[in-house]
Amino acid sequence: DGGITQSPKYLFRKEGQNVTLSCEQNLNHDAMYWYRQDPGQGLRLIYYSQIVNDFQKGDIAEGYSVSREKKESFPLTVTSAQKNPTAFYLCASSIGGTSGFYEQYFGPGTRLTVT
Amino acid sequence: AQKVTQAQTEISVVEKEDVTLDCVYETRDTTYYLFWYKQPPSGELVFLIRRNSFDEQNEISGRYSWNFQKSTSSFNFTITASQVVDSAVYFCALSEAEGETSGSRLTFGEGTQLTVNP
Repeated sequence: DGGITQSPKYLFRKEGQNVTLSCEQNLNHDAMYWYRQDPGQGLRLIYYSQIVNDFQKGDIAEGYSVSREKKESFPLTVTSAQKNPTAFYLCASSIGGTSGFYEQYFGPGTRLTVT
Repeated sequence: AQKVTQAQTEISVVEKEDVTLDCVYETRDTTYYLFWYKQPPSGELVFLIRRNSFDEQNEISGRYSWNFQKSTSSFNFTITASQVVDSAVYFCALSEAEGETSGSRLTFGEGTQLTVNP
């Protein structure tokens, strides 16, 4: 079955530690995205990548880093510089790199708790 | 800059009632796309519909219908004869038609939590 996988579903970390969230897609999509969702709020874009080996900052990139070495993978690292990292993180992908026409497909999300 | 506003934070209805979720958007682009997504309690967003800015025809899919009015920059979503399974957060979103660095970006509204009670 084609889709997007995110693991793990729940992640707990101590403050000051970096943590990497995985996102894998087998939809052969060019574009991939990372969003953050806080309780009662909409989705905010962290980073996105329209093609392998290229990515752009979204609206709230500070304290996060990404890589796009393979088409199917777009891992997100939450660094210790992120002041409030506890949130629900969603990964998505879409067919077209630069076109806004294509809908995004979402993974099941990772709920990160930092204490 | 693009903006999407969903003024209704929470809506609660009784099963079989009709309910309309409002979405108002702002953009300077002449060509753009509007989307609705559903987020059930499991957390994964599910795509419902896409609308091209040049196509103002209303659309109906089963119990779902969408009313796009360019004159008022609105793209409202109506569920007819609501069911408990419709309970979810619904998001409206906007994207540019094409852009070298931002064409595929979605701008989301803050979402409307719909609760359908039996």
